[in-house]
Amino acid sequence: GAGVSQSPSNKVTEKGKDVELRCDPISGHTALYWYRQSLGQGLEFLIYFQGNSAPDKSGLPSDRFSAERTGGSVSTLTIQRTQQEDSAVYLCASSLYTSASYEQYFGPGTRLTVT
Amino acid sequence: QQQVKQSPQSLIVQKGGISIINCAYENTAFDYFPWYQQFPGKGPALLIAIRPDVSEKKEGRFTISFNKSAKQFSLHIMDSQPGDSATYFCAASRDSGYSTLTFGKGTMLLVSP
Repeated sequence: GAGVSQSPSNKVTEKGKDVELRCDPISGHTALYWYRQSLGQGLEFLIYFQGNSAPDKSGLPSDRFSAERTGGSVSTLTIQRTQQEDSAVYLCASSLYTSASYEQYFGPGTRLTVT
Repeated sequence: QQQVKQSPQSLIVQKGGISIINCAYENTAFDYFPWYQQFPGKGPALLIAIRPDVSEKKEGRFTISFNKSAKQFSLHIMDSQPGDSATYFCAASRDSGYSTLTFGKGTMLLVSP
């Protein structure tokens, strides 16, 4: 079946512009996660959703970052007033439930470049 | 504070050799330890995972060894193949309720033909 999809696959933006990154999780998965992957830094947790609620926003690096999820499905990560340090690959994952017992399935990521 | 330390950062192994990647964790509440494999341009994919009730888990050529007292776990890839060339991430979390994965920084493995 279809996996997690993300769009766009690549995004180049100018410093100061806003960007929106989209994630389509696997159908029926109630949990959705956003991570950021920078070169040599592993995967940094940003935020997770259980249904449409985001109980844990502690990983968001600044108030320029926000995310929402609608209909228990699609999620959008928004970065306002982008900075060069925001350049990274943004990964989305989904799982059936939020417990670690349930495998997280990752999308291919969106590569964001801020010039 | 980095809670999962992974080494080495990169590794070159000859075809047929054994690849070994090590991880150490700090949070004693962690009780679920997965390894993810990532190919270029793809998202990570779960490879194998272990819980602390066993000291070793084997799936095909991949084995996790777990040392609870030392708070360390490692991935062994036996008979390494060029197709195993990828970046490997260890991770850790609590296996109950909501839990987020804390990842190591990754190991780039290259298996030479």
